[in-house]
Amino acid sequence: KNEVEQSPQNLTAQEGEFITINCSYSVGISALHWLQQHPGGGIVSLFMLSSGKKKHGRLIATINIQEKHSSLHITASHPRDSAVYICAVVNTGTASKLTFGTGTRLQVTL
Amino acid sequence: NAGVTQTPKFQVLKTGQSMTLQCAQDMNHEYMSWYRQDPGMGLRLIHYSVGAGITDQGEVPNGYNVSRSTTEDFPLRLLSAAPSQTSVYFCASSYRPAFFGQGTRLTVV
Repeated sequence: KNEVEQSPQNLTAQEGEFITINCSYSVGISALHWLQQHPGGGIVSLFMLSSGKKKHGRLIATINIQEKHSSLHITASHPRDSAVYICAVVNTGTASKLTFGTGTRLQVTL
Repeated sequence: NAGVTQTPKFQVLKTGQSMTLQCAQDMNHEYMSWYRQDPGMGLRLIHYSVGAGITDQGEVPNGYNVSRSTTEDFPLRLLSAAPSQTSVYFCASSYRPAFFGQGTRLTVV
C-alpha cells in the first residue's frame, strides 16, 4: 500500500463545476504539498499546509492531521485548470523528505 | 531570481551513452533532490543532498551518480544509459516549500 493515496485517479468535469481531489497518507508528516503539473510542463507548488485551510483564488486546500487526510477544492472550474494535481507529504520518518501520490488527472471541458 | 534551472528539456540517448542533467538554484537552499516520473507512479527519489559535499541515495539510485560541489549546483549523471531510464526527470530545491525545475524528458533508444 502506498504511503500517499490520491482519489480519484482521473476526473472529468464541466466548466463551472466544483471539484474535490482527496489525499490520504499513512506516515507522520510535518507538512503537505499540493502541486500542479500541466501536460508536458513543470511542477508548480500550489499550497503547502500543516494545519487548517488555505485559499488562493479559486483554489482551497484543507488538511485534517488527526484523520491524515487533505482535500484540494477548485471552485468554478475552468478548462485552464486541466492538469495533473499531485499530493506530496513532508515525511518526518525518513531523510528523503518528500513522498508523492500518483496524481489526479483533471480535465475540465466547456 | 531564476529559482531552479534544469537543463536540457529534452534528450535522446543511445543505449550505453552517458550524459549529465544539470540543475542549479539561486535560493541558497541546502536540500536538493532528483526525481524520476514514470506513468502510473508517483515521483520517485533518485538521489538527494543536504548540503555541499553531502549526498545520499534515494529509492531508485542504480545507474545514476550525483555530486554537490557547491550549494547552487546538483548535477545528475547517467553512467551508461539503458532503455529503463527513459523517463521524465525533475530536480527540486528545498522541501518546505519545494521548488521544481521544468523537467527533462529523456528517451533512451
